[in-house]
Amino acid sequence: RKEVEQDPGPFNVPEGATVAFNCTYSNSASQSFFWYRQDCRKEPKLLMSVYSSGNEDGRFTAQLNRASQYISLLIRDSKLSDSATYLCVVNQYSSASKIIFGSGTRLSIRP
Amino acid sequence: SQTIHQWPATLVQPVGSPLSLECTVEGTSNPNLYWYRQAAGRGLQLLFYSVGIGQISSEVPQNLSASRPQDRQFILSSKKLLLSDSGFYLCAWSGRGRPNEQFFGPGTRLTVL
Repeated sequence: RKEVEQDPGPFNVPEGATVAFNCTYSNSASQSFFWYRQDCRKEPKLLMSVYSSGNEDGRFTAQLNRASQYISLLIRDSKLSDSATYLCVVNQYSSASKIIFGSGTRLSIRP
Repeated sequence: SQTIHQWPATLVQPVGSPLSLECTVEGTSNPNLYWYRQAAGRGLQLLFYSVGIGQISSEVPQNLSASRPQDRQFILSSKKLLLSDSGFYLCAWSGRGRPNEQFFGPGTRLTVL
């Protein structure tokens, strides 16, 4: 089993729709969780951290479910500019060497 | 503000040739520095990281090496490239003690023929 797994997609949704995707992790001792966004042929950029209590940043909501070992990202009122690959990132021990990136979920928003 | 530079942006090299990719960071001191490789359709693979000048930790055995000759300079090298070295190479930095919030450079797209 991969340490961090994501559905590769693509998720193809109309503009204005709400879309959600999950990421599962295998190590129950994982401590820190993040979502990064990567545009086509560009570098990844930190989108948001994922806190135990869940957190929201505008149209984006991230949640953590430790019991089931997954994190989720919800995007409301999706925009064309949200089209990108979303990478799930897990840090098992808050150590520089233990950061695991998922392969990403590709999201495509159509007009 | 902090910026991170990588060059070259793209590179096409024959098998067996040497490699040198450079990464520099501006606007911060004592950063953690990282080299990642992203193969097509796959996640980022951490290759090396460094917490200080001359200090390199290697995460995967391979024909690549890294060096940190200055605080804000990180170099990825190879003496002889393999076909399997093709990929998107990304340099990243994070603040000391904050490994989770990483900021990536624009990357180098390497094709080995």
